[in-house]
Amino acid sequence: DVKVTQSSRYLVKRTGEKVFLECVQDMDHENMFWYRQDPGLGLRLIYFSYDVKMKEKGDIPEGYSVSREKKERFSLILESASTNQTSMYLCASRPGTSGLYEQYFGPGTRLTVT
Amino acid sequence: GQQVMQIPQYQHVQEGEDFTTYCNSSTTLSNIQWYKQRPGGHPVFLIQLVKSGEVKKQKRLTFQFGEAKKNSSLHITATQTTDVGTYFCAGPQGAQKLVFGQGTRLTINP
Repeated sequence: DVKVTQSSRYLVKRTGEKVFLECVQDMDHENMFWYRQDPGLGLRLIYFSYDVKMKEKGDIPEGYSVSREKKERFSLILESASTNQTSMYLCASRPGTSGLYEQYFGPGTRLTVT
Repeated sequence: GQQVMQIPQYQHVQEGEDFTTYCNSSTTLSNIQWYKQRPGGHPVFLIQLVKSGEVKKQKRLTFQFGEAKKNSSLHITATQTTDVGTYFCAGPQGAQKLVFGQGTRLTINP
């Protein structure tokens, strides 16, 4: 079974802090994604990566950056956390680039910025 | 940009009643995927539809892809408490991205 893990289930940070969210997948998937989930807005793509050291902006990249130094690990960075970044963050991975592949999600990190 | 709209946003039913959620895209889709997210959980892939007019069944769940490949639906017959959760449709945007609908949250009165 594919396993996608995220470093924390719950996280509380202060405004202005630098925040790292880690995601690891164990199935050698090429593609990895970061989404945020907010009530009524569904899942919105922040960034994705289709290969090591490769990244592309999603629909809401402002205030975020990412890092993919190893194939299995994809990190989301909030350079200076703000209260409007309080949300559920979901990481996902996918075997290949085609939209025909299903995505496998991690358990999510609920981030609260105070 | 491409939009995927899903209705209704919420649906509350009595156990045993049927449930349907609808998904509409602003553009023609090459395929559509459906995911289920249980309360407190993460989205889990249910199924993918690729062909125009395709209908697929998984026990009490019936998935349809419209003839024009711009809409899709998920119908659950005789809901059970295990069906509780949020159902998302998702369509590809470009070669690599997936655009999700807003989701339909299903709650059930036992």
